[in-house]
Order: sequence, then structure tokens, then C-alpha cells
Amino acid sequence: NAGVTQTPKFQVLKTGQSMTLQCAQDMNHEYMSWYRQDPGMGLRLIHYSVGAGITDQGEVPNGYNVSRSTTEDFPLRLLSAAPSQTSVYFCASSYGQNNSPLHFGNGTRLTVT
Amino acid sequence: GNSVTQMEGPVTLSEEAFLTINCTYTATGYPSLFWYVQYPGEGLQLLLKATKADDKGSNKGFEATYRKETTSFHLEKGSVQVSDSAVYFCALRLGYTGNQFYFGTGTSLTVIP
Repeated sequence: NAGVTQTPKFQVLKTGQSMTLQCAQDMNHEYMSWYRQDPGMGLRLIHYSVGAGITDQGEVPNGYNVSRSTTEDFPLRLLSAAPSQTSVYFCASSYGQNNSPLHFGNGTRLTVT
Repeated sequence: GNSVTQMEGPVTLSEEAFLTINCTYTATGYPSLFWYVQYPGEGLQLLLKATKADDKGSNKGFEATYRKETTSFHLEKGSVQVSDSAVYFCALRLGYTGNQFYFGTGTSLTVIP
């Protein structure tokens, strides 16, 4: 069971570079989301999607773009990396029912220098 | 609005001690409630859940009861082990549209031999 797969596990970028964090799930989940986790800040929602073709902003969307062209994939794009985007990023997915939990990937640790 | 409040950490306990991590919530409706655990360098894993009032979730010796009257979902374990050292997150899910998940800020637990 693959579950939620995130790639890469680690990434170092220079300020101004762009990149895409990949997220794929094989559970046919309708709901997908991206969080960032910083020390002392808990989890902060970046973007989420309730189904293919539908995305919306979370708490901290600036500097990030997402798309949801298929049910399985939900990539996160950093348009022009900044040191403030140094963080651990988690992708998570869930069925649409209210009693279904989020399933998390193992995270991508991003450093922007 | 909707929110989750959990006790501040870090918490340090001796092996075989009793654990309680408090969690209270505010929600406009009838949420499902979850506890997640995050081990160092990993993503969040579902520990247990409860989907309606008076439900008790349990897993790996951990328990939590959905208390609607006190809007609480406290995590308990009768005898902790060193392997329980991790960060614990309380969360709720509410609704069928928009952002549906709300997380507490996490409580770090260290168990010493």
C-alpha cells in the first residue's frame, strides 16, 4: 500500500529558484491538501482541493500555486523561492466523508538559501 | 470559528507513568475528532478517532472519549513507554466543503527510562 507519496524527501534551493513538490495518492481520495510545519508553529494549511479541477487557498497561500488535474496528483509549486519558505512540507489526503481522517505523506524538507 | 486547543508542552514522563494530554475544541456543528502522532522525521499518523458524542477511540493502549458537554477529547495512556516519545496532535473535521480539518499546535512527549 503506497498511500500518500511525496517527492523529493529533501531539497535545497537558492533564493529565486522555482520548483515543484510532488504528491500522489492511490486511495482514490477526493480531498487533498498541503501543509507546512515550522518549529513552534504547528501545521499551517497552504492550499487544498475537494476534487479534481477544484482548488482553494488555505491559511498561508502566498508564494505557492497548486493544480488538481487528476484525482491522484496534487503538486505544489514554489514560484520564486524565499528563505521564509524553508520548512517541512506535508501532503495529506482523505475521503470526502466527514468521519474520514487525513492520511499524511512523509514530508519534504526544503531549505532555501 | 472552528479551532482546537491542546495543552502546551513539552511533557516529560518516566516510563510506566500515566499520560494525559488535554484537548478542547470549538466547532459550529458536529465534528469528528482525531489524535495523530508524529515520530521524529516522519509524517503524522492517525492514532485514534471518534466520530460522535460519547464514542471512545482506542489504539496501542491510548484512549480518548468524545465529550460533547465539555467539548473535549483528552488523550490518555495508563503506562507510557520510551517508544511513545513523539509529538501528538489533536484535530477535528467538520463539514463537507471548504477547509475541513483543524489541528492543535501539537504536544511533545518525552518518556525517560
